[in-house]
Amino acid sequence: DQQVKQNSPSLSVQEGRISILNCDYTNSMFDYFLWYKKYPAEGPTFLISISSIKDKNEDGRFTVFLNKSAKHLSLHIVPSQPGDSAVYFCAASGWNAGKSTFGDGTTLTVKP
Amino acid sequence: DTAVSQTPKYLVTQMGNDKSIKCEQNLGHDTMYWYKQDSKKFLKIMFSYNNKELIINETVPNRFSPKSPDKAHLNLHINSLELGDSAVYFCASSQGAGADQPQHFGDGTRLSIL
Repeated sequence: DQQVKQNSPSLSVQEGRISILNCDYTNSMFDYFLWYKKYPAEGPTFLISISSIKDKNEDGRFTVFLNKSAKHLSLHIVPSQPGDSAVYFCAASGWNAGKSTFGDGTTLTVKP
Repeated sequence: DTAVSQTPKYLVTQMGNDKSIKCEQNLGHDTMYWYKQDSKKFLKIMFSYNNKELIINETVPNRFSPKSPDKAHLNLHINSLELGDSAVYFCASSQGAGADQPQHFGDGTRLSIL
């Protein structure tokens, strides 16, 4: 039972344009969501998060949007840079769950 | 100075052997985790420890035994290795077990079973 899905395995965008990565979840008990970025041969690193009481959180070039009714979140990167090329994982958690459930990742390629 | 370090980075061994992977964090975090990333790239949690106490134990074969000698270390011992154990294993830590605590990951241990 895959509770967190990233339906696009890959995404390619031009440098300077917007990258939009999507994530859907099925468990209505999830109330905290995080995005991680992973380079090859390295572990994931935390990027940005959002609580279910909000619908938007912004940090520099990165913005996460949450649509609870649709059980959907997205990560926007503007402007995209070649260094953003990586695998992006979304993760979801119930508040006291003590663990995060991860999606299977979207590989973003930003072309110069 | 590496925050979460795992050793070894690569581990190649034969079926039936017993092996250990070590993990140390120097962030002063209370909570540590082991994840398995299989060929489909899913990161699946295996275990979580908070202040040396086991708080999460997902459906993992008994051949896998975590040990936390102190808050800064969480080691993973695997008995009687099987072909299906081939994967990348990630250790992680966080300040607490709350959902709002981002996890800091090590660089992974790539385990290959011959």
